[in-house]
Order: sequence, then structure tokens, then C-alpha cells
Amino acid sequence: NAGVTQTPKFQVLKTGQSMTLQCAQDMNHNSMYWYRQDPGMGLRLIYYSASEGTTDKGEVPNGYNVSRLNKREFSLRLESAAPSQTSVYFCASRPRGGMGTGELFFGEGSRLTVL
Amino acid sequence: AQSVTQLDSHVSVSEGTPVLLRCNYSSSYSPSLFWYVQHPNKGLQLLLKYTSAATLVKGINGFEAEFKKSETSFHLTKPSAHMSDAAEYFCAVSLNNAGNMLTFGGGTRLMVKP
Repeated sequence: NAGVTQTPKFQVLKTGQSMTLQCAQDMNHNSMYWYRQDPGMGLRLIYYSASEGTTDKGEVPNGYNVSRLNKREFSLRLESAAPSQTSVYFCASRPRGGMGTGELFFGEGSRLTVL
Repeated sequence: AQSVTQLDSHVSVSEGTPVLLRCNYSSSYSPSLFWYVQHPNKGLQLLLKYTSAATLVKGINGFEAEFKKSETSFHLTKPSAHMSDAAEYFCAVSLNNAGNMLTFGGGTRLMVKP
């Protein structure tokens, strides 16, 4: 039972470099999310995908792009990394149903440092 | 708009004493409320949720929370802390008409002393 799997777990980038964070879930969930976690600020939603083929901006989308490759996979891309994007990134998924009736299932996080 | 405020960034208790982690929310609509726990270097795990049924909600590991609409609060409690409860706790709110948006508070780090 893998659940939500994120790769890589750790990454160090230089300013201006690009990279993609990968996320896959094996629970047949419809919705997938990318959050960033910063000290004292909780988790903030970057982008989400309510279902395969759709993506929407969250609270802090600037500097990021996403791709819902198929029902299982949802990737987050940083085209030109900036030090302000140093953070811990979490992918999550949710089964069909309203947000109030379902819980989010989280990966273990990807720790990104931008120098 | 919806928002969540966790009133304490750090809480320290002794093992065996009660735990109280405070959460207030603002919402113009009927909310769903959640508490998540995060152990070091792990993802978040759901502790409990309120979705307009009973106002006193019981979760895993002996935690419970009470929804108080008049106070716009959803505080998390546990009668007796264990060392294994040391973690970071997040309160979150979702509006029932807000589709996929879940808003998190800033987190409370719980420390448990022997």
C-alpha cells in the first residue's frame, strides 16, 4: 500500500534552475493537490486538479506550473527557481465526494532548497 | 473568504496532563473542520473531522474536538498526553460550497515533557 508517493525527497537547486516534482497515488482518487509548507504559515495550496484533465490555481500559484498526466500522476514544475521557493512541498489526493466528506491523503514531502 | 487561526504556535505539557490546542475559524458559510497531525519528516494524517453532524467529534489516539458555532472555535483536546503525541498539529477549514479548497492554520507544535 504505497498511498501517495513523491519524488525526489530532497533537492538543492541554484537560482534560475528548473525542476519537476513528481507525485503519484495508487488509491484511484479523483482529486490531487500541491501544497507548500513554510514555518508558521501552515500549508498553502499551490495548484489542484479536481479530476483528470483539469487543473486550477490555488492560493500561491505564481512561479509554478502543473500537469495532471493521468489519474494517478500530478507533477509540479518550477521553471526558474527562486530562493523564495525554498520550502517543503506536499502532494495530496482525495477520493470522489465533497471536501467536507473526504479527507486528504498526503505524501511524505519533498524538501527543496534554492540557493 | 475562509481562514483559520491557531492561537498558539507552541504548547508544552507534561506527560499524563491534559492537552488543549486552540483553533478559531472565520467563515460565511457552514464549514467542515479538520485536525491533522504531522510527525517529524512525515506527511499530514487526519485526526478527526466535523461535517455538520455531532458537535463533539472523537478522533484517533484519544483526541477529540468540539465545534462551537457561537465562538467559531474547534479546539482539540486530549485528557492525558503521551510522549508519542509530540508533533505538529494543524487545524483546517473547508466551506461546503467551496469545492476543493481546504485552508490550513499556521500549526501548533506540541511538546510533551517526561
